[in-house]
Formats: sequence, C-alpha cells, structure tokens
Amino acid sequence: TQLLEQSPQFLSIQEGENLTVYCNSSSVFSSLQWYRQEPGEGPVLLVTVVTGGEVKKLKRLTFQFGDARKDSSLHITAAQPGDTGLYLCAGGGPYNFNKFYFGSGTKLNVKP
Amino acid sequence: KAGVTQTPRYLIKTRGQQVTLSCSPISGHRSVSWYQQTPGQGLQFLFEYFSETQRNKGNFPGRFSGRQFSNSRSEMNVSTLELGDSALYLCASQPEGFEGYTFGSGTRLTVV
Repeated sequence: TQLLEQSPQFLSIQEGENLTVYCNSSSVFSSLQWYRQEPGEGPVLLVTVVTGGEVKKLKRLTFQFGDARKDSSLHITAAQPGDTGLYLCAGGGPYNFNKFYFGSGTKLNVKP
Repeated sequence: KAGVTQTPRYLIKTRGQQVTLSCSPISGHRSVSWYQQTPGQGLQFLFEYFSETQRNKGNFPGRFSGRQFSNSRSEMNVSTLELGDSALYLCASQPEGFEGYTFGSGTRLTVV
C-alpha cells in the first residue's frame, strides 16, 4: 500500500489544455515535493512546499499544499509537449525527516 | 556545479552474482539516499547515509547494503542477485536542513 496516492495514473491531453494532478494521503507530512522524471533519467525537483495552505507558482505550474498537510495538487495551465513526463509527489516525514515517501506517479503525455 | 554522478549507467548481471553501484553526490551534500524504481512498485527507499553512517533504512532484505566514504561518495551492493532485482537504482543527495533531492541519472540493472 502506497502512503501517497496519486491520481490520475495516466493523462493524455492536447497542447493548450489545462490539467490537475492530485497527491493524497491519510498521513501528515512535514513537507511535500513534486518531481518530474523523463525516460532514462532521474527525477528533477520542481518545488517543495512546507506550510499548510501554501501555494507556489513556477511559470505555468501551480502547486498547492493542503491546509492539513495531507494532500497536494499540481495544476498546469496551457500544457505544452515539453511538459510530458512522469510527475511524482514525495512526502517528508511523518515519522522521519530524512526519509521520503513517493507516490506512484502520474504519466502525462501532451500531444502537439 | 557538478550534479549527482552515478556509475555505471547500465549493467547486466547473471542471477546469483553480486553488483556494486557508485554514487558521487553534489559537493557539500553529506546526505546520500538510494532508491529502487520499478514499473510495478515505483520508487522504494533503500537507505540513507549521512557522514559515513547509515541513518535510515527501508524494508529491503539484507542482500542490499551500502556504505559512505569520508568524501561523501557512496556505494551500494547487492549480493546473490535475483531476477526481481532488475530495476533503475537512483542515488540522491541533499544538503542538511533542506527537504528535496537532487537525483543522479540512475543505474539500470538487468539481471538475467
């Protein structure tokens, strides 16, 4: 059983569409990170959120940490083919600040 | 500044053999973590080293071991390889007090 559940697992959309990816848990985390991974490479850190209710923006990507620090969302506006990849969320804690729990990932394909 | 370097990138081994993977973290990062990534299980935490000491351990059998040297470089070893050990092995480093990894490109291990 995954500590962090991501949905949807797969998403295939046209360029220009908006999308939201969710990361949910019944546990409280000290922080929540989002990564993007391309085939054959390691994940790349996009953002870390640490405060309940926090919203961070990175160009067309908006990240939100739930008020109770149990869930997070990633919203992409006007998706582009370069956004294609595996999006992973990872929670820090709740039992250990130096060990992170990863969700199973959302595989996004943006078609031109 | 150089990123996290993992060697080798690809490895093919026979069942029953052992293998050693290497990781050089970003300069100044004393925490090094190892993850196993498979299509079915996603990213699973193996262990974390900090200042040459194993600080955290995941739920893997004793065949999986690691160590860290005084220059923070780390190695992981898998003995008596099984077919199920085929995976992408990722190394990640982070500075103390920051929640978020920089990953290497990984070592793709195939056991035949």
